[in-house]
Amino acid sequence: DAKTTQPTSMDCAEGRAANLPCNHSTISGNEYVYWYRQIHSQGPQYIIHGLKNNETNEMASLIITEDRKSSTLILPHATLRDTAVYYCIVRVPAGGTSYGKLTFGQGTILTVHP
Amino acid sequence: GAGVSQSPRYKVAKRGQDVALRCDPISGHVSLFWYQQALGQGPEFLTYFQNEAQLDKSGLPSDRFFAERPEGSVSTLKIQRTQQEDSAVYLCASSLSGQQGQPQHFGDGTRLSIL
Repeated sequence: DAKTTQPTSMDCAEGRAANLPCNHSTISGNEYVYWYRQIHSQGPQYIIHGLKNNETNEMASLIITEDRKSSTLILPHATLRDTAVYYCIVRVPAGGTSYGKLTFGQGTILTVHP
Repeated sequence: GAGVSQSPRYKVAKRGQDVALRCDPISGHVSLFWYQQALGQGPEFLTYFQNEAQLDKSGLPSDRFFAERPEGSVSTLKIQRTQQEDSAVYLCASSLSGQQGQPQHFGDGTRLSIL
């Protein structure tokens, strides 16, 4: 599985953009980048995913570099409720003996402060 | 709309007892995954179902762990003769299919404590 590297923790001021980096230098051409977050005592929440192109939804934007070796999750206007652990995951394609399971690392603890 | 529902939310059992954890996936979702999350760690894969077929159980830590999904909807994770190291949050996730572009949606988990 392609491994990911994320900073252990980050801080962000409320109302400002939060930019969470992720390195995945061994990613394969058919592997997607997924982002989830987990707020205390809740299950992981899906945020966004992408393959090559940048993606945007109502929660966030995902910027993937042209060589696909890194990506950045952008929360455009962070709120206190965005405080959570953010996981960047490279998803193994389904096929053969793999069924698309997610391999979580340690993630980045994002703290949004007033 | 209805998401993935897990019950119970909390379970306390004595060492050696059997426990059963239930997962109700999102209606119509073919794929169902179970994960185990130890304190302070990310979730780790346990097993995968496509409809009623258990296609991958490579993550189950021992033969005391057993999962089923007999009608391709609700799933149960059973742990026999529980040990203290089984204490963790057990998460269930479902997706429309197992394909890459289909995100998995998680329940809030069952927190299992073995005394």
